[in-house]
Amino acid sequence: DGGITQSPKYLFRKEGQNVTLSCEQNLNHDAMYWYRQDPGQGLRLIYYSQIVNDFQKGDIAEGYSVSREKKESFPLTVTSAQKNPTAFYLCASSIGRTPQHFGDGTRLSIL
Amino acid sequence: KQEVTQIPAALSVPEGENLVLNCSFTDSAIYNLQWFRQDPGKGLTSLLLIQSSQREQTSGRLNASLDKSSGRSTLYIAASQPGDSATYLCAASPSGAGSYQLTFGKGTKLSVIP
Repeated sequence: DGGITQSPKYLFRKEGQNVTLSCEQNLNHDAMYWYRQDPGQGLRLIYYSQIVNDFQKGDIAEGYSVSREKKESFPLTVTSAQKNPTAFYLCASSIGRTPQHFGDGTRLSIL
Repeated sequence: KQEVTQIPAALSVPEGENLVLNCSFTDSAIYNLQWFRQDPGKGLTSLLLIQSSQREQTSGRLNASLDKSSGRSTLYIAASQPGDSATYLCAASPSGAGSYQLTFGKGTKLSVIP
């Protein structure tokens, strides 16, 4: 079955450390997205990519970085510049411009 | 800037009851409106997507309506079941060429009591 795989499910970050969240899709979708979800808040867009080797900042890109070297993969790096990284991170993909397929998320916490 | 509001934040109903979840948005220039379900600790599952030219969409016991002029959408769940317990999110996609940014509401947490 086609879908989106996020790994790991749980991740812990130490002070000053960069961590990378993985997102892989086998849906052959052109567009991929990263969202952040905090308790009591709606999802907020971090970055999105319409095609390989191209990506755009969303509403809260500061402290994050992405790459899109392959159509199937869109990893997100949470850098040490992100001072409040504790959240639930969701990856999504779409054929057109409306994301409809989501992964099961990665929960990031600070040690 | 688009704002999406969902009221109430939480709702508890007895099994078998019909219910309506509400979603309002401030900018009527939308491309589509989508309803999602989220189970605890999980990702989002798309339930229904209504294009801006449509008034409603149906899937099984679910019916979503869209009124762009009033900035409102509703999700109607018929004959609710305990398995319907989850958080329901609505999201508006902006019109305009190439715009990829959904605006999400904070969700309504539904509990269906057996």
